[in-house]
Amino acid sequence: KQEVTQIPAALSVPEGENLVLNCSFTDSAIYNLQWFRQDPGKGLTSLLLIQSSQREQTSGRLNASLDKSSGRSTLYIAASQPGDSATYLCAATPDSWGKLQFGAGTQVVVTP
Amino acid sequence: DTGVSQDPRHKITKRGQNVTFRCDPISEHNRLYWYRQTLGQGPEFLTYFQNEAQLEKSRLLSDRFSAERPKGSFSTLEIQRTEQGDSAMYLCASSFPSPGLAGVGGELFFGEGSRLTVL
Repeated sequence: KQEVTQIPAALSVPEGENLVLNCSFTDSAIYNLQWFRQDPGKGLTSLLLIQSSQREQTSGRLNASLDKSSGRSTLYIAASQPGDSATYLCAATPDSWGKLQFGAGTQVVVTP
Repeated sequence: DTGVSQDPRHKITKRGQNVTFRCDPISEHNRLYWYRQTLGQGPEFLTYFQNEAQLEKSRLLSDRFSAERPKGSFSTLEIQRTEQGDSAMYLCASSFPSPGLAGVGGELFFGEGSRLTVL
């Protein structure tokens, strides 16, 4: 059974610092890996999707890498802003149906 | 297109009552998923539809839970005889197969969720 882990569970950084969020998964046979943002009491907003054949994806200040062989993905957020404060979740797709296996998330606070 | 829509956003009910949640996916998406999320945890998979067919149900989905997707459009998730342990956020997501990857699920888009509180 695929297990997804996100460490640390919480992170606080000053504004302007780069954020590095880690995600590890136990089974390298994944189809996709997706990163989400969740604000308190809200649904999930998709940030980036990396297909298994890709090594990374970029969108604005966000960059996500995928290393299937080591079972790791990293989300980089450049020049963090207070508006980046949220919980960030990664999820792996263990089958072709698109079902996601989530980590518990990393709660990020960016202080002004 | 306004994204995935869920209704109601909040539901407070007494133990033993039945509740129903509705999800309207993004119109061209043929896959629809239900997840449950409790405080401090990532979402857990409940069930999945491709068009109107329910293809997988998690063991989390006891016989008190039933989901439908008539005509492959909106979906409903009903919980009968609610228990306090059912209190959670119920999230719906939809997707379309990845371009160029036949049958492989694409990016999932989630709704705002329906928060259930069972007293």
